[in-house]
Amino acid sequence: EIVLTQSPGTLSLSPGERATLSCRASQSVSGTYFAWYQQKPGQAPSLLIYGASSRATGIPDRFSGSGSGTDFTLTISRLEPEDFAVYYCQHYGSSLTFGGGTKVEIK
Amino acid sequence: QVQLMQSGAEVKKPGASVRISCKASGYTFTSYTIHWVRQAPGQRLEWMGWVNTGNGNTESSQKFQGRFTSTRDTSASTAYMELSSMRSEDTAVYYCARWGILSGSVGAFDIWGQGTMVTVSS
Repeated sequence: EIVLTQSPGTLSLSPGERATLSCRASQSVSGTYFAWYQQKPGQAPSLLIYGASSRATGIPDRFSGSGSGTDFTLTISRLEPEDFAVYYCQHYGSSLTFGGGTKVEIK
Repeated sequence: QVQLMQSGAEVKKPGASVRISCKASGYTFTSYTIHWVRQAPGQRLEWMGWVNTGNGNTESSQKFQGRFTSTRDTSASTAYMELSSMRSEDTAVYYCARWGILSGSVGAFDIWGQGTMVTVSS
């Protein structure tokens, strides 16, 4: 089973700063079924990025996804107050798995 | 508006089963697979399985095989998930999520239910 490892566990940044979140797969995966989600406290996750690099409907262009093989990245170019949340990567191959999450908190 | 509405919170004793419903609205129910994902307190999201709302086929994660069942009622646009032989470690928020085909064959969970808290306690 593929394991997704996210780093860092917590990212402490100020509004306006750039956030770079990493997700590493235990073996090479297809980007076709690779996605990123945002989860705020007490809420269900919501889709940000699918197919490794395509933004979901309504997602602002400060969010971007990149990567292939074993290394994928979510970048938030300039953090807005509403971006402080937990972010999960996800892959769907022979099974479906999520990463452990990265919490982006206000510094 | 496209949404998934789940049933309310449950409290169960160890060894019992829980059944959660997930009612779809705003789209053609049988065109999208429904998945089930859970999240224990402070833990990562964990995929449990899915139901093909068109033909009723299901698949579960190896971890839940034998305990996970998912069905659907197309006349009610509702999917159900049943987890049996529950134990304290099954205490979690359970989500249903729609697997959307977003571009060609590229998919992801594009719509989520609001979550159902299940507490397992004696």
